Amino acid sequence: AAGVIQSPRHLIKEKRETATLKCYPIPRHDTVYWYQQGPGQDPQFLISFYEKMQSDKGSIPDRFSAQQFSDYHSELNMSSLELGDSALYFCASSLGAVGYTFGSGTRLTVV
Amino acid sequence: DAKTTQPTSMDCAEGRAANLPCNHSTISGNEYVYWYRQIHSQGPQYIIHGLKNNETNEMASLIITEDRKSSTLILPHATLRDTAVYYCIVRVGDTGNQFYFGTGTSLTVIP
Repeated sequence: AAGVIQSPRHLIKEKRETATLKCYPIPRHDTVYWYQQGPGQDPQFLISFYEKMQSDKGSIPDRFSAQQFSDYHSELNMSSLELGDSALYFCASSLGAVGYTFGSGTRLTVV
Repeated sequence: DAKTTQPTSMDCAEGRAANLPCNHSTISGNEYVYWYRQIHSQGPQYIIHGLKNNETNEMASLIITEDRKSSTLILPHATLRDTAVYYCIVRVGDTGNQFYFGTGTSLTVIP
């Protein structure tokens, strides 16, 4: 069965650079969620989109933005990167409240 | 969404049943209990969920008390590959909202 695809798997950026993470949801899933998991921490919700509209917002910094495109894939844009942004970033997708599935994540390292 | 409380860590002998408790004393009538696990920085993996009846699938069983204030995830025959952090999450089931991850239980299966 198709899963949630995230790219890239690993990303290394320097401070103050920008990064773009991509998420391709399971086919026919209409909702995408982004989570951030710092070292030794639990996943924290950032933002979600339903039918290409932002549906909920969590602890997402103002330096971050995201959108969901017409093909339902989503991108998380991160600017002015800081060392503290180094983390695993997970995307999840669902069809409404059904089938909530996580991707394998993108490991972002800011140096 | 209601808050959950889980033990920080547990050990289980390989081949034995692993019983992971979760308290959710403030759960509302329309909130489901979900269990996910995360194996070493991989994306959280769905295990099972339920509303008020006990549930069983190929991975585990979920026992929910009659008052729904607590539940137990049972892995019937734990293997070394079940070593992971297990998250108990309660969430309104008919909404596509985010999951609030608590600290989870770090389960170590011992040979």
